[in-house]
Amino acid sequence: ETGVTQSPTHLIKTRGQQVTLRCSSQSGHNTVSWYQQALGQGPQFIFQYYREEENGRGNFPPRFSGLQFPNYSSELNVNALELDDSALYLCASSSTTGLEEAFFGQGTRLTVV
Amino acid sequence: QKEVEQNSGPLSVPEGAIASLNCTYSDRGSQSFFWYRQYSGKSPELIMFIYSNGDKEDGRFTAQLNKASQYVSLLIRDSQPSDSATYLCAVCSNTGKLIFGQGTTLQVKP
Repeated sequence: ETGVTQSPTHLIKTRGQQVTLRCSSQSGHNTVSWYQQALGQGPQFIFQYYREEENGRGNFPPRFSGLQFPNYSSELNVNALELDDSALYLCASSSTTGLEEAFFGQGTRLTVV
Repeated sequence: QKEVEQNSGPLSVPEGAIASLNCTYSDRGSQSFFWYRQYSGKSPELIMFIYSNGDKEDGRFTAQLNKASQYVSLLIRDSQPSDSATYLCAVCSNTGKLIFGQGTTLQVKP
């Protein structure tokens, strides 16, 4: 049990729709990173938030956006869903931007049909 | 060239044997290296991290780092069927993000 909670755990959406995924970080952690993990692949970095500001972004289009709130929880929003967006979405919280010990939530399994 | 490379496997070892998992990385400036275990359908779980050249031991697990060769490995001694999982190597970039390999699937056969 890492103390990082994601919701929902599973989600089915239709192509073209929008989705919001949520992450509550572990107590004391001020950094949240989001990852996309396609089947059979390693997690791919989407972006990181540190003290409510975006602090680095991976190779994902602008339709992937995020927020971090004053309590350090975070949201990932994806607009205009595509079939290839089907994946496990993971958030990881840590106490520094160095991610020296990042703890993952249980993930949200998104299926786009 | 991928930033972090792992052999996808599967790597099959008998119960009680030593499993050796390997990883290479391309960024010579990388400072932190991590091994995660991921069971099917679950999220990654941190096993070990290593910063300095050499070996770091924790129970049945030993991480080995060779920065000159840009090589990280994980040894699992006395492998158990419960060790069967995908093992992800990750490198912390100088921009503070974790870059993962595709993972190596380990099968420990009773």
